[in-house]
Amino acid sequence: AQTVTQSQPEMSVQEAETVTLSCTYDTSESDYYLFWYKQPPSRQMILVIRQEAYKQQNATENRFSVNFQKAAKSFSLKISDSQLGDAAMYFCAYRAENSGYALNFGKGTSLLVTP
Amino acid sequence: DTAVSQTPKYLVTQMGNDKSIKCEQNLGHDTMYWYKQDSKKFLKIMFSYNNKELIINETVPNRFSPKSPDKAHLNLHINSLELGDSAVYFCASSQTAGANVLTFGAGSRLTVL
Repeated sequence: AQTVTQSQPEMSVQEAETVTLSCTYDTSESDYYLFWYKQPPSRQMILVIRQEAYKQQNATENRFSVNFQKAAKSFSLKISDSQLGDAAMYFCAYRAENSGYALNFGKGTSLLVTP
Repeated sequence: DTAVSQTPKYLVTQMGNDKSIKCEQNLGHDTMYWYKQDSKKFLKIMFSYNNKELIINETVPNRFSPKSPDKAHLNLHINSLELGDSAVYFCASSQTAGANVLTFGAGSRLTVL
């Protein structure tokens, strides 16, 4: 079974600074997809960024970027120029290409942004 | 217009009761999901339907029964509610079963007293 591990239950960052959230995963698959979802206090799950395992280039979406290390099975999220609205739970998720259709989520990292 | 809508958003009920949560998506997606988020925020897949056909059925008590009358709707019925069923239940949809992007509803918080 695939597992996703987020080792940081909580992180804190000052406004305008940069923070990196860690995620590792365990899989024997070669084709898969990785995601970061954000869950603000409103409870809504919002897709932040996604990465296809076959792509070597790290995905970037505005202030959000990932560091995808396939050999190390690591998929960290970097948030640059942090804003108060970035405060939320962040979930790393994995989906295999060929074995099942569901997303497997990590336990989440709570990000606090201080003024 | 809300893409994936769940009703009710909040539900408080007594142990032993039966309750349903409804989900509708207006995105034209083929696949819908139910996820459970427990008190520690852990999200776990429960069920998935693709064009009204059950494709994922995780280890969930028989008291939970999903129903998909058409591909735009996926309802969750829970019999004989227990304290441990208290959680937030999220409905989601994706264009196809193999699609990578899930669109989530706002969640339904169920509290069992």
